[in-house]
Amino acid sequence: GAVVSQHPSRVICKSGTSVKIECRSLDFQATTMFWYRQFPKQSLMLMATSNEGSKATYEQGVEKDKFLINHASLTLSTLTVTSAHPEDSSFYICSASPGPNYGYTFGSGTRLTVV
Amino acid sequence: AQSVTQLDSHVSVSEGTPVLLRCNYSSSYSPSLFWYVQHPNKGLQLLLKYTSAATLVKGINGFEAEFKKSETSFHLTKPSAHMSDAAEYFCVVSGPYSSASKIIFGSGTRLSIRP
Repeated sequence: GAVVSQHPSRVICKSGTSVKIECRSLDFQATTMFWYRQFPKQSLMLMATSNEGSKATYEQGVEKDKFLINHASLTLSTLTVTSAHPEDSSFYICSASPGPNYGYTFGSGTRLTVV
Repeated sequence: AQSVTQLDSHVSVSEGTPVLLRCNYSSSYSPSLFWYVQHPNKGLQLLLKYTSAATLVKGINGFEAEFKKSETSFHLTKPSAHMSDAAEYFCVVSGPYSSASKIIFGSGTRLSIRP
């Protein structure tokens, strides 16, 4: 139990296009989900907190219009990278917490390459 | 405010020898602490967590960690390293548990295992 599914695992897109990444809690409801970005050989950087039914909370320095977050249901949050550029290429990971006994569960990540 | 410091960016041990990955934290209140492991291009897997119960926490794959408040440490240990333990390890801190609590990642420690 307590699985977070992330899709796609890998995506290549052209500069200027938009890419949507999905994060689903498979067997629990998540009113809050988190989106992280990880550069090669670096730690995870929190980008935003996704709140079901309300606006996401973005960390300082993260462009809201570049990284659109939608959390329309208790089991799904989406991150859309708009007008992607090569510098947006990165590993994106989502997480949610099923409850205090589980800590925080992470998706398997999405490798985005913008060419 | 919270922060977490992983004291070693890279640790290399021989197979069958003990593993020690060091983590120090800073927190304004009683923290929750976690260790996660990440294999290349994969998501994160929870190894163990401390949430104000027993100070010695046992996790998966033979890992354990001890919460020492006086030293503000939460070091990860394993008695005997296995080749499959080679990965990136992250120490993570958060405040008292809430599904909406932000979690702060350490910079990571890359563990290499020599045959």
